Amino acid sequence: AQSVTQLGSHVSVSEGALVLLRCNYSSSVPPYLFWYVQYPNQGLQLLLKYTTGATLVKGINGFEAEFKKSETSFHLTKPSAHMSDAAEYFCAVRATGAYTGNQFYFGTGTSLTVIP
Amino acid sequence: GAGVSQTPSNKVTEKGKYVELRCDPISGHTALYWYRQSLGQGPEFLIYFQGTGAADDSGLPNDRFFAVRPEGSVSTLKIQRTERGDSAVYLCASSLRREAEAFFGQGTRLTVV
Repeated sequence: AQSVTQLGSHVSVSEGALVLLRCNYSSSVPPYLFWYVQYPNQGLQLLLKYTTGATLVKGINGFEAEFKKSETSFHLTKPSAHMSDAAEYFCAVRATGAYTGNQFYFGTGTSLTVIP
Repeated sequence: GAGVSQTPSNKVTEKGKYVELRCDPISGHTALYWYRQSLGQGPEFLIYFQGTGAADDSGLPNDRFFAVRPEGSVSTLKIQRTERGDSAVYLCASSLRREAEAFFGQGTRLTVV
């Protein structure tokens, strides 16, 4: 079975500072990995994904994430936070097997606050 | 349409009533998912459709919940005898194929009073 752990339910950073949101997964084989962002009263928007290939993945709005198999991690980073980055961020995994992977497993989310 | 559309955006119902929530996926997307999101939580899987059939309904909490997708496009999530604990945001998502990312709708906020 798959599971996702997001360390830190709330993260605060100053505007212009580095953003680091942590995600660790549990899976018997490397899964597909995703980061979604959710703004208040809106649905989830895909930030980036890892399926195969390069382990450093770049997404929208300057975010990137690195898949580290040895650490079973997929942490999300952004070099310089903007006020508009304040939102809820969800890490998700999905199995890659032919008869599995029907569902996305989501973490409990990390609320990012950007301090002016 | 351009994205996943869910109606209504908000639904308030009385305890014990029946409700239907509608999802219109992105055209051509064969996979469709329903998730439920409670306040302060991540989305919780309910059911997955591949085409017209429910390929995985293991997330439905009990037999009061049912979903259909009769023509492989629009899906309806049906909740019978609603309870206050059913109050949540119900999210629908679709994807082009199994391994692709899912695109989410805005959700339906269900409040059972």
